[in-house]
Amino acid sequence: KAGVTQTPRYLIKTRGQQVTLSCSPISGHRSVSWYQQTPGQGLQFLFEYFSETQRNKGNFPGRFSGRQFSNSRSEMNVSTLELGDSALYLCASSPALGGGGEKLFFGSGTQLSVL
Amino acid sequence: AQSVAQPEDQVNVAEGNPLTVKCTYSVSGNPYLFWYVQYPNRGLQFLLKYITGDNLVKGSYGFEAEFNKSQTSFHLKKPSALVSDSALYFCAVRDEGYSTLTFGKGTMLLVSP
Repeated sequence: KAGVTQTPRYLIKTRGQQVTLSCSPISGHRSVSWYQQTPGQGLQFLFEYFSETQRNKGNFPGRFSGRQFSNSRSEMNVSTLELGDSALYLCASSPALGGGGEKLFFGSGTQLSVL
Repeated sequence: AQSVAQPEDQVNVAEGNPLTVKCTYSVSGNPYLFWYVQYPNRGLQFLLKYITGDNLVKGSYGFEAEFNKSQTSFHLKKPSALVSDSALYFCAVRDEGYSTLTFGKGTMLLVSP
């Protein structure tokens, strides 16, 4: 079974641009979560999608948005990029809406550098 | 609100020695606790979890963790460290009835030969 796939692996953008990251979950998984990883802050939750609906949202500005398609693939968009958006963006999938003892399966991430 | 703290940014241990990576948590209800490991240029991999039952949980690669409710801790342990255990370790918590998983800031484990 293929794992969680994130594309692209690396991105370099300049301030003010926008970017779209893609995540394909494990086949059969319907929940997709996004996290931002930075050296100083660790992993911070962005949002979770289940059955094409955003179910939870973290404390990030509206410049960060996402969506999920009917095949459970998800995209994350960041508009008007700032230097502080440079980070590793991780996608994680699980079979059901997160909760209880449900564990997450992570992709390798997209490393975004904003110049 | 739920939170998790990993008090050590880095833990150094010699190969063959026991290792401990510390984690404390705060939840209002019953906790669901997890440990994940991240190798360079990779995503996080699940190591083990505590849901209920036995306070000592065994996981992948010889790791185990002990749940201590009175101290609100969930420390990761291994009896004999390997150089290949060197990686970034994350503790995570989820409060019962709450779906989001909250991660600590991570602890870098360095095992020297």
